[in-house]
Amino acid sequence: AQSVTQLDSQVPVFEEAPVELRCNYSSSVSVYLFWYVQYPNQGLQLLLKYLSGSTLVKGINGFEAEFNKSQTSFHLRKPSVHISDTAEYFCAVSDHSNTDKLIFGTGTRLQVFP
Amino acid sequence: DVKVTQSSRYLVKRTGEKVFLECVQDMDHENMFWYRQDPGLGLRLIYFSYDVKMKEKGDIPEGYSVSREKKERFSLILESASTNQTSMYLCASSSVGQANEQFFGPGTRLTVL
Repeated sequence: AQSVTQLDSQVPVFEEAPVELRCNYSSSVSVYLFWYVQYPNQGLQLLLKYLSGSTLVKGINGFEAEFNKSQTSFHLRKPSVHISDTAEYFCAVSDHSNTDKLIFGTGTRLQVFP
Repeated sequence: DVKVTQSSRYLVKRTGEKVFLECVQDMDHENMFWYRQDPGLGLRLIYFSYDVKMKEKGDIPEGYSVSREKKERFSLILESASTNQTSMYLCASSSVGQANEQFFGPGTRLTVL
């Protein structure tokens, strides 16, 4: 069975600093990987996804993530965060045999301070 | 602009009441989902529907049922609400295919007293 681990439940950071949100997954089959963001009082929206090809994936709002198969990781990064990036971030995985369903991690709350 | 709408943003019910949560999407998506979101637990899938009148249990279906009579509408039903069903409920939809994006509604925060 697949699972997703987001080790950091909260990440505080100052504005304009770099940030990395960590995501590890476990699966016995090939997977697709996603990052979603949830701004306060809103539903989730897709930041980026990895299906195949280049392991570095660029998403919206300056975020990027790198797929590392040997470490089963898909960490999310941004070189310089803004106050408006304050939100909860969810990593998710689906496998190639059942691509319609996602397994979500527990989420990381990114808090950006001025 | 694509949209998934949920009938209520906030709902307060009493223990034992029957509760209906409605979700409508305007994207002609085949797939629709109901999730429950709790702090520290992330999103957990309650039920999934891949076509009209078709449904599949998710990870935590106990205490819930669903209905999909029309393609655009997916309802979550709590037959007899209990306090442990107090939570945020999120609806999502997606088209069938290779890991297509799920589009989410704004959520319904349900409190059961």
